[in-house]
Amino acid sequence: NAGVTQTPKFQVLKTGQSMTLQCAQDMNHNSMYWYRQDPGMGLRLIYYSASEGTTDKGEVPNGYNVSRLNKREFSLRLESAAPSQTSVYFCASSDGQGGQETQYFGPGTRLLVL
Amino acid sequence: AQSVTQLGSHVSVSEGALVLLRCNYSSSVPPYLFWYVQYPNQGLQLLLKYTSAATLVKGINGFEAEFKKSETSFHLTKPSAHMSDAAEYFCAVSGGYQKVTFGTGTKLQVIP
Repeated sequence: NAGVTQTPKFQVLKTGQSMTLQCAQDMNHNSMYWYRQDPGMGLRLIYYSASEGTTDKGEVPNGYNVSRLNKREFSLRLESAAPSQTSVYFCASSDGQGGQETQYFGPGTRLLVL
Repeated sequence: AQSVTQLGSHVSVSEGALVLLRCNYSSSVPPYLFWYVQYPNQGLQLLLKYTSAATLVKGINGFEAEFKKSETSFHLTKPSAHMSDAAEYFCAVSGGYQKVTFGTGTKLQVIP
């Protein structure tokens, strides 16, 4: 099992450009998450999907959109990138949403917006 | 509302010394508590979690944590640090169906 995979690993964008970060999991998990990690701020939840066909905003959703394409895939889109979106983005998945489930993380996408 | 506070953004210990990483939480409902570890250029992986069973939780790589309700703490310890323990450690809390809230992380440096 590959677990959670993310593409690309690294990306440089110019302000105003758009891009989609891809995430896939092969553990048959219902719930998927997108986080951003910034120095000194830990991980902050951008969006999550409790099940196929549903998505909800997290703590920092502004400037992002998501799509739960199917049970395996959950993508994050930046429509018009801004320097404030320079960060490391992590996708995660878990089996359920009761709060006690372990989250499994991908290796991350490092995004630099110039 | 729920939150976690990790005391010390950087901790240095000598190889073989005790590792103690501090975490205090706030939760309006009985919490689930987690410690995750992040090695350089990798995603997070679970070290251990408390889900209201035993208050002393043992995890991977010799780490353990004790849930103390009266102190609202969930500190992470390891008796003897190894060089391979150098990483960033995140405490996290979840209350029932609330989403997991992560702390700001503590970077552990192990000095030979």
